[in-house]
Amino acid sequence: DTEVTQTPKHLVMGMTNKKSLKCEQHMGHRAMYWYKQKAKKPPELMFVYSYEKLSINESVPSRFSPECPNSSLLNLHLHALQPEDSALYLCASSQDPRPEQFFGPGTRLTVL
Amino acid sequence: AQSVTQPDIHITVSEGASLELRCNYSYGATPYLFWYVQSPGQGLQLLLKYFSGDTLVQGIKGFEAEFKRSQSSFNLRKPSVHWSDAAEYFCAVGADGYNKLIFGAGTRLAVHP
Repeated sequence: DTEVTQTPKHLVMGMTNKKSLKCEQHMGHRAMYWYKQKAKKPPELMFVYSYEKLSINESVPSRFSPECPNSSLLNLHLHALQPEDSALYLCASSQDPRPEQFFGPGTRLTVL
Repeated sequence: AQSVTQPDIHITVSEGASLELRCNYSYGATPYLFWYVQSPGQGLQLLLKYFSGDTLVQGIKGFEAEFKRSQSSFNLRKPSVHWSDAAEYFCAVGADGYNKLIFGAGTRLAVHP
């Protein structure tokens, strides 16, 4: 299995909702990433987990809360988001220390 | 600080024509360099990578790239473009212990029939 999967594909939520994005990989990779991508822009790194420990947090607001329950799963918990948080959220993984990252198809998030 | 510059925001080519997308990087050490492609609303697909060794690297879908240290460049090429190559292309450099990718702004490729 050489894929990174993400669920859901689309998510619409209100500013008071709590929701979660999920990411899964079965390539044995030990590093996993969350990116945010706005239209016509490159992906922006949010979080990096290495060996299930948070290693990089790019000063992301606390309304985004990552979780890595095991080496194959990565979650992003969302709470009290703002409309400007609407974006494509991408998950990626890599075989630490090899740097090439493999991306999932993304979750298109709309905050109303 | 590490950075990646893609000078061309949009490029339009005719189907069957050759393609070159430019990428310049700024990085103190030997860089790890990548090209990714993204179709609308999709994730990023790795086209090719350079770590060391042969400076001309081959990738998927008939793409190749050449690393030129003297010019700090890693340009992507394809000899004959297909309509399905229309997409956004991102150049990236591995940085900060290589758990971090620094992306260029991207080049949007349009292909005319």
